[in-house]
Amino acid sequence: DTAVSQTPKYLVTQMGNDKSIKCEQNLGHDTMYWYKQDSKKFLKIMFSYNNKELIINETVPNRFSPKSPDKAHLNLHINSLELGDSAVYFCASSHHGSGDGYTFGSGTRLTVV
Amino acid sequence: TQLLEQSPQFLSIQEGENLTVYCNSSSVFSSLQWYRQEPGEGPVLLVTVVTGGEVKKLKRLTFQFGDARKDSSLHITAAQPGDTGLYLCADPPFRTRKLIWGLGTSLAVNP
Repeated sequence: DTAVSQTPKYLVTQMGNDKSIKCEQNLGHDTMYWYKQDSKKFLKIMFSYNNKELIINETVPNRFSPKSPDKAHLNLHINSLELGDSAVYFCASSHHGSGDGYTFGSGTRLTVV
Repeated sequence: TQLLEQSPQFLSIQEGENLTVYCNSSSVFSSLQWYRQEPGEGPVLLVTVVTGGEVKKLKRLTFQFGDARKDSSLHITAAQPGDTGLYLCADPPFRTRKLIWGLGTSLAVNP
């Protein structure tokens, strides 16, 4: 069973479209994250939810909106996609404050054309 | 935003060689995690080091935490093509909510 699963794996879309990426974890973790990894491989935190409460909201354009219907799911909706949004987006989960590691999904490669 | 410095940034070696990569910070770590990210996948946790001077081994990988807890190293013995990937160090959230990432060392092991 996949611990953190995100869909889709690949997403190619035109500028101006709206798209969503979904993430689910079956580890019983209480905290979930969205990261953006750019072409230089740097992992940049975007959002974090702890038990459905938004606890990290980095400087991200408000075209990006996370939504956590329950603590096992964290989705990312992106409005009015731009070329610069092209990147790999990773979902991750953890037990907050435990010092245990993060478990990552396999990523969604978003290409905006 | 605090960043962890990792060196070298890129490393390309032949199968069977040994290598060491480094992670440094100007601040003291509460603990330190090492992750490996294979192409097309998310990072996977390899180890967490907590105590200054601590050494942990994972098969051919040896992780060392500096005595002052401001640096760490990862040594790979007899590297194999399967070791290819991006090695990331991270400072887990302790007083803050955010895990701080290094920029990574991209390792290529050629057959």
